[in-house]
Amino acid sequence: DQQVKQNSPSLSVQEGRISILNCDYTNSMFDYFLWYKKYPAEGPTFLISISSIKDKNEDGRFTVFLNKSAKHLSLHIVPSQPGDSAVYFCAASAYSLSGGYNKLIFGAGTRLAVHP
Amino acid sequence: ETGVTQTPRHLVMGMTNKKSLKCEQHLGHNAMYWYKQSAKKPLELMFVYSLEERVENNSVPSRFSPECPNSSHLFLHLHTLQPEDSALYLCASSQDSPLGPRETQYFGPGTRLLVL
Repeated sequence: DQQVKQNSPSLSVQEGRISILNCDYTNSMFDYFLWYKKYPAEGPTFLISISSIKDKNEDGRFTVFLNKSAKHLSLHIVPSQPGDSAVYFCAASAYSLSGGYNKLIFGAGTRLAVHP
Repeated sequence: ETGVTQTPRHLVMGMTNKKSLKCEQHLGHNAMYWYKQSAKKPLELMFVYSLEERVENNSVPSRFSPECPNSSHLFLHLHTLQPEDSALYLCASSQDSPLGPRETQYFGPGTRLLVL
């Protein structure tokens, strides 16, 4: 059973417009959420994160919104640029006391294509 | 300087071969991870090492054998793999502390493995 779901496998947006990528989770123990971006032939790179005590975090063109009651988060990219074309992974984190590390659970990813 | 490196980048092996994947992190982190990414699936956590001690073995078959000789290096030894093991294998590292701020995981570029 997937604890983190990205229901849209792909998204196509025109350059300059807003891209909205969505993510849903089921485990209320998750307390930290991240978005990663992945280009072909590269590993995922960290983009932006949000703690469960917040509902919004902004970094330049990227904003992440968290709705805890709905167990939903979204990534907004505005304005979208062709260089944003990549696969975006949502991840949720909870600290594993037994293991002593932050466990990340990833969604399946959404492929964003920004066209001129 | 590349934070997390992985070698080889591509590997083709037969089901009777033995091979090893190598990961090295130059970030001074205390935790290292192996993930598997199959096509159109979420990243699956395989193993976690925290302070060079394995703290998670996520129900991974014994034909995958990790090794962490020190905090900077992580290996994944492969033997008698199956074609369904073909995937992208990603290494990651992080600096984790239960009391400090949540640190993100940094990924290497991955090893694309094909088992024939």
